[in-house]
Amino acid sequence: ETGVTQTPRHLVMGMTNKKSLKCEQHLGHNAMYWYKQSAKKPLELMFVYNFKEQTENNSVPSRFSPECPNSSHLFLHLHTLQPEDSALYLCASSQDRGPETQYFGPGTRLLVL
Amino acid sequence: QKEVEQNSGPLSVPEGAIASLNCTYSDRGSQSFFWYRQYSGKSPELIMSIYSNGDKEDGRFTAQLNKASQYVSLLIRDSQPSDSATYLCAVTPNPGGTSYGKLTFGQGTILTVHP
Repeated sequence: ETGVTQTPRHLVMGMTNKKSLKCEQHLGHNAMYWYKQSAKKPLELMFVYNFKEQTENNSVPSRFSPECPNSSHLFLHLHTLQPEDSALYLCASSQDRGPETQYFGPGTRLLVL
Repeated sequence: QKEVEQNSGPLSVPEGAIASLNCTYSDRGSQSFFWYRQYSGKSPELIMSIYSNGDKEDGRFTAQLNKASQYVSLLIRDSQPSDSATYLCAVTPNPGGTSYGKLTFGQGTILTVHP
């Protein structure tokens, strides 16, 4: 596989469920990102990891928990979400954390019931 | 004031025309500027990046940057129906600040190219 991949592509979960989103990049990049895209709102940066270290948490509620075991993999663990958390969750990567081009994965479309 | 502002549109142009998409940003120290295209239901894909004042051309696309006016634009020449998408402007802040590496997006402009 090439580029940035995300699984699952679609997810429906109840408010009491626990689920995880997975992102993998095959570009040899060192920085990875989670974004949230809601209808009619700009893309919102959630988390930034650089060389596996979290460098930014953009005031994200604790019901979203990121994990970055290595520079190629990024997870977003979800628990006790709210219906307003329904959105497209996008993973991206770049060579380094800086003014670098970010490449996006296909996203996970999440629906919280 | 929004950090990155775009006219949400929709912008409708006839096939073959020039589509002009505009973006303004609030952080005067911003360093890098990007245009992404996002088709409905898909993820953003990079079209252009621009780092210095002036024009940068790539095929039918031209990005224009004016840091004094805090303005970046994207021109699409000979617009095609396949160009119909949402165009996202994105900006990275002043590297001396705490938000180094953070990419801030505008809300996007919907472009429709009609035959």
